[in-house]
Amino acid sequence: AQSVTQLGSHVSVSEGALVLLRCNYSSSVPPYLFWYVQYPNQGLQLLLKYTSAATLVKGINGFEAEFKKSETSFHLTKPSAHMSDAAEYFCAVSVTGNDMRFGAGTRLTVKP
Amino acid sequence: NAGVTQTPKFRILKIGQSMTLQCTQDMNHNYMYWYRQDPGMGLKLIYYSVGAGITDKGEVPNGYNVSRSTTEDFPLRLELAAPSQTSVYFCASSQVTDTQYFGPGTRLTVL
Repeated sequence: AQSVTQLGSHVSVSEGALVLLRCNYSSSVPPYLFWYVQYPNQGLQLLLKYTSAATLVKGINGFEAEFKKSETSFHLTKPSAHMSDAAEYFCAVSVTGNDMRFGAGTRLTVKP
Repeated sequence: NAGVTQTPKFRILKIGQSMTLQCTQDMNHNYMYWYRQDPGMGLKLIYYSVGAGITDKGEVPNGYNVSRSTTEDFPLRLELAAPSQTSVYFCASSQVTDTQYFGPGTRLTVL
């Protein structure tokens, strides 16, 4: 079955600095890949998704991710962090739609 | 358009009690899901449904049951609550392989 690994359970950046959250996936067939964000005491919201149309995917709030098949990676980036970006971020992989597998999550802290 | 709603928001159960977590969506999605979220573990799929009358097990179905009599509703039943079921439960819905929309969650504690 497919799986994802998120490198780093906690990432801390200064406001205005680059945000880089790492995700590697494992799948025997071309997958769908997702990044979700979870704010405290809320459900998950979709940031962006990869569905094979384009390798560079732009999402909401200035986030983007690049699908690299050779590296089996789907890292999430944002050029300049904002205080409101502090949250938990989950990478997820799916093949059929009924089989979403989530990573353990990365908590992003943004320092003033 | 409320999206996915879940009730209750919080619940404390005693060991051996039973309860039903309610989930309703108003987006006419065929697919619905139940996940549990434990600290540091991400989300694990408990059960899912591809339409009214059709349900199937996910990664961690033991101790839970579901039913899907309508497109809108997908309740999750805990029959004999155990401390291991202390978790945050999320319901989600989607159209096939498209984006999953999540409810706000139910925080359950079993003592």
